[in-house]
Amino acid sequence: GAVVSQHPSWVICKSGTSVKIECRSLDFQATTMFWYRQFPKQSLMLMATSNEGSKATYEQGVEKDKFLINHASLTLSTLTVTSAHPEDSSFYICSALSGTNTGELFFGEGSRLTVL
Amino acid sequence: GQQLNQSPQSMFIQEGEDVSMNCTSSSIFNTWLWYKQDPGEGPVLLIALYKAGELTSNGRLTAQFGITRKDSFLNISASIPSDVGIYFCAGQERGRGAQKLVFGQGTRLTINP
Repeated sequence: GAVVSQHPSWVICKSGTSVKIECRSLDFQATTMFWYRQFPKQSLMLMATSNEGSKATYEQGVEKDKFLINHASLTLSTLTVTSAHPEDSSFYICSALSGTNTGELFFGEGSRLTVL
Repeated sequence: GQQLNQSPQSMFIQEGEDVSMNCTSSSIFNTWLWYKQDPGEGPVLLIALYKAGELTSNGRLTAQFGITRKDSFLNISASIPSDVGIYFCAGQERGRGAQKLVFGQGTRLTINP
């Protein structure tokens, strides 16, 4: 299957700082990427849809100024958690759509954020 | 929003046993996907289903897209220790843009050797 890579896989930061997470499609071009958040023992919650060359579409209840998404190229989307607080600590996962007419989403390895 | 009901939420089985889990929805999906997630990792796609009634196998895994388009099941035969993990179903609704998926709550599989 297609390969999606996230970096960093884990990060610890101080409260008030900003953290950037990268999501790359390694062997295909992805016009659309998705960002999810997952709490322990829970399912994936879609945060936003990242569209190459345009603004991201955020799900209801997700603060766009808090979670900045940039999709500057067909292989890279970034999620920046701004002014992070302990409640932002979570597992963040990206996915990318491979192909235009299939529903196959391939996921990155995830990034665990811990805000002290 | 749309929700998928996935059951069971957890399973405790002996190695070698067969496993069955399913997902149902109140509305129609045009795609069903099954993923497995190991701790601290992202979900890995197991099987993708695109047609009502479709039955697809991937090794010891078999999944079916329900005729009504509102359900799907995943079977694992002759379970082995590496099958341990959380299994998620995911569905794409008809008409929803950008291939957004709705996920089930997950089934946590534990295997006793």
